[in-house]
Amino acid sequence: GQQLNQSPQSMFIQEGEDVSMNCTSSSIFNTWLWYKQDPGEGPVLLIALYKAGELTSNGRLTAQFGITRKDSFLNISASIPSDVGIYFCAGMKTSYDKVIFGPGTSLSVIP
Amino acid sequence: GAVVSQHPSWVICKSGTSVKIECRSLDFQATTMFWYRQFPKQSLMLMATSNEGSKATYEQGVEKDKFLINHASLTLSTLTVTSAHPEDSSFYICSAPHPQLAKNIQYFGAGTRLSVL
Repeated sequence: GQQLNQSPQSMFIQEGEDVSMNCTSSSIFNTWLWYKQDPGEGPVLLIALYKAGELTSNGRLTAQFGITRKDSFLNISASIPSDVGIYFCAGMKTSYDKVIFGPGTSLSVIP
Repeated sequence: GAVVSQHPSWVICKSGTSVKIECRSLDFQATTMFWYRQFPKQSLMLMATSNEGSKATYEQGVEKDKFLINHASLTLSTLTVTSAHPEDSSFYICSAPHPQLAKNIQYFGAGTRLSVL
């Protein structure tokens, strides 16, 4: 079946450092999504990517849709304590389609 | 603000009882909603697709008679966990694609924590 892989599985960084995390897929997706989940909450959409090669920013966050449509990365610049959480990449084949989630990257920021 | 609302946020029940969880789209109509389950330290796993006016579509391995889904209106889908057992304890999350925001990308509710004693 469809499977997404995320790396790294977890990260411990110093406040102020930049962060980079990756997501790869065994199959092609036409939409890539990045969500953040805080403990006990539902995932919150950070960035949505719709075209291969697309580079999109949302504040300190930047994400890219890989050319092969089988990968994406998310960068966070100048991390702050509230960036702590689980970051999930997710893919969709088409609009209104189900969302397939990656296993997540756990981010810890040391003040 | 939130575009998808879930209720309750936390429920504790006795083994063998049934529990209903509601998922509402706020200020938009959702002909399709999705139900996910998340165990501790794991990712979200899709359980079923809820379709307004028709039967839900269940993912492989999900018992449709145990997890009853009713999409009675364009803004409400319900998930009923029937005869709940401790192994059903999990975090249940719904989502709905918003037709105006971000090209039908799914927005998630805050989740419902189910604890079965």
